[in-house]
Amino acid sequence: QKEVEQDPGPLSVPEGAIVSLNCTYSNSAFQYFMWYRQYSRKGPELLMYTYSSGNKEDGRFTAQVDKSSKYISLFIRDSQPSDSATYLCAPLTRGGGSYIPTFGRGTSLIVHP
Amino acid sequence: DTGVSQDPRHKITKRGQNVTFRCDPISEHNRLYWYRQTLGQGPEFLTYFQNEAQLEKSRLLSDRFSAERPKGSFSTLEIQRTEQGDSAMYLCASSLASSGYNEQFFGPGTRLTVL
Repeated sequence: QKEVEQDPGPLSVPEGAIVSLNCTYSNSAFQYFMWYRQYSRKGPELLMYTYSSGNKEDGRFTAQVDKSSKYISLFIRDSQPSDSATYLCAPLTRGGGSYIPTFGRGTSLIVHP
Repeated sequence: DTGVSQDPRHKITKRGQNVTFRCDPISEHNRLYWYRQTLGQGPEFLTYFQNEAQLEKSRLLSDRFSAERPKGSFSTLEIQRTEQGDSAMYLCASSLASSGYNEQFFGPGTRLTVL
């Protein structure tokens, strides 16, 4: 079993829909939880992160962590075609004095006009 | 463009050849990371440097892989005696050490194809 599980999709939604992307994880030591967005043929870019349990909102995006069930969610409101990308969840572990992301396999999102 | 550059962007090689990739981080960033990403998977951590010191290596990093950051600026990743299983996107990221989480900025990657 991988440390971070994520449904690869693809998830196809119409423009304007609310999107829910989810991950589960097994390591209870994770404290920071990141969401990255990766467009085709590009490197990942950090979308947002949360520390420990709770919600965090940034514009159309809301990240949610439930540590009791080891469940991570990203919600996108009013989805746009430009949101079409792969979304990677990535809890962090400590390594060599830094934080190292453990990436899920990513969920491919397609928002059609 | 994040400011992290990688060269080359694409590399095709034959099995058994050696290849070397270069990463130039954001200039003031003292931490540099290497990841490998295969099709349909998320990036997997390979190794990380703070300045010129290599502080962490994944067990994924076999003896055929070596990374350097000789002057604490750019880094190179060399793969010796390449195998078809080495075909992947090799990503570099950099960050500035600070307290708490330090955001990593990723380059565009080098896509390696081993024939």
